[in-house]
Amino acid sequence: DQQVKQNSPSLSVQEGRISILNCDYTNSMFDYFLWYKKYPAEGPTFLISISSIKDKNEDGRFTVFLNKSAKHLSLHIVPSQPGDSAVYFCAASAGGTSYGKLTFGQGTILTVHP
Amino acid sequence: EAGVAQSPRYKIIEKRQSVAFWCNPISGHATLYWYQQILGQGPKLLIQFQNNGVVDDSQLPKDRFSAERLKGVDSTLKIQPAKLEDSAVYLCASSLRGAGVPETQYFGPGTRLLVL
Repeated sequence: DQQVKQNSPSLSVQEGRISILNCDYTNSMFDYFLWYKKYPAEGPTFLISISSIKDKNEDGRFTVFLNKSAKHLSLHIVPSQPGDSAVYFCAASAGGTSYGKLTFGQGTILTVHP
Repeated sequence: EAGVAQSPRYKIIEKRQSVAFWCNPISGHATLYWYQQILGQGPKLLIQFQNNGVVDDSQLPKDRFSAERLKGVDSTLKIQPAKLEDSAVYLCASSLRGAGVPETQYFGPGTRLLVL
């Protein structure tokens, strides 16, 4: 039972354009969501997070949107840069003592072309 | 500030052998996590420690996997005996506080295990 799904295995974007990565979840108990970026042979690096009390969070070029009714979140990268090429994972956790138990999606490979 | 350290970076063993991985979290971080990432999948939590106590090990295959964090700092994860399906990257992560609060987990570079 995959509770967090990233349905697009890959995404290709031109430099300077917007990248939109999507993530769906099924567990209504999830209330904290994170995006991580992973380069080959490295561990995941934290990008941005959002709590279920918000529907948007921005940090520089990165914005995460949360639609609780649709159980959907998305990561927008504007403008995209070649250095953004990596695997992007969304992750979710439920509240209380379960905050540490992250459930990850399977990842989306983003390629930004110069 | 030093990040999460893991060793070894790569390990090749034959099935039925044993293997151990080591992790040193970010200094001062109370909570330590071990994840398994199989090729093409996202990381899956195996075990979560807060200080030297286990918070969650519900997804740890306890017949062959064991983990300890005896002094509440570094940790070891052991597999004995290894199976072919244990081939994966084993990631260690740490966070400042842990259970009960939403916070960022910081990951190490991982140990890539190949079981032949």
